[in-house]
Amino acid sequence: DGGITQSPKYLFRKEGQNVTLSCEQNLNHDAMYWYRQDPGQGLRLIYYSQIVNDFQKGDIAEGYSVSREKKESFPLTVTSAQKNPTAFYLCASSMTGGWNEQFFGPGTRLTVL
Amino acid sequence: DQQVKQNSPSLSVQEGRISILNCDYTNSMFDYFLWYKKYPAEGPTFLISISSIKDKNEDGRFTVFLNKSAKHLSLHIVPSQPGDSAVYFCAASVFGDYKLSFGAGTTVTVRA
Repeated sequence: DGGITQSPKYLFRKEGQNVTLSCEQNLNHDAMYWYRQDPGQGLRLIYYSQIVNDFQKGDIAEGYSVSREKKESFPLTVTSAQKNPTAFYLCASSMTGGWNEQFFGPGTRLTVL
Repeated sequence: DQQVKQNSPSLSVQEGRISILNCDYTNSMFDYFLWYKKYPAEGPTFLISISSIKDKNEDGRFTVFLNKSAKHLSLHIVPSQPGDSAVYFCAASVFGDYKLSFGAGTTVTVRA
């Protein structure tokens, strides 16, 4: 079964701690993305990666970091510098070039206590 | 600056009737538009798309209409079913660009 997995589904952390969210895909997609969703708002792009070992900041990259060492994996680290980290985080992937829909994972709900 | 706007945060419709969701955009460079459906605590799933060379695209109960001059698109769901109760996001992009711009979403509730 091809798809995107995110783990864990729920994550709790104490304020001031860094936390890494996992995202894996077996769709053989080159591009991967991280979004954040807050209540009453649309999806806001944090980071995206077009190919391995390359990534770009999205609209709200401050306080986040990513890596893309493998095509299948695009982990997101929420650092202590992120002022309001409690949110629903979504990972997505797509083929490259042209018009391509993005396929989303099930999401991770991060709560910082 | 929100480039894609869904001005109706919610919509309630009776089962069997038509649901019409609206979306406006400001960036005239957008040439590809998508609709996603999202249930609570799940990721969005792709529903239907349309490119700027068309003004209508249909897939089963779902039809998307594009009015480029008005920078407006709409999603029609006919007939509405209880399983259609979800949040619907409109998104837009430019050919070759990797980024999608999303609207804030419209919550649809289908009443029995």
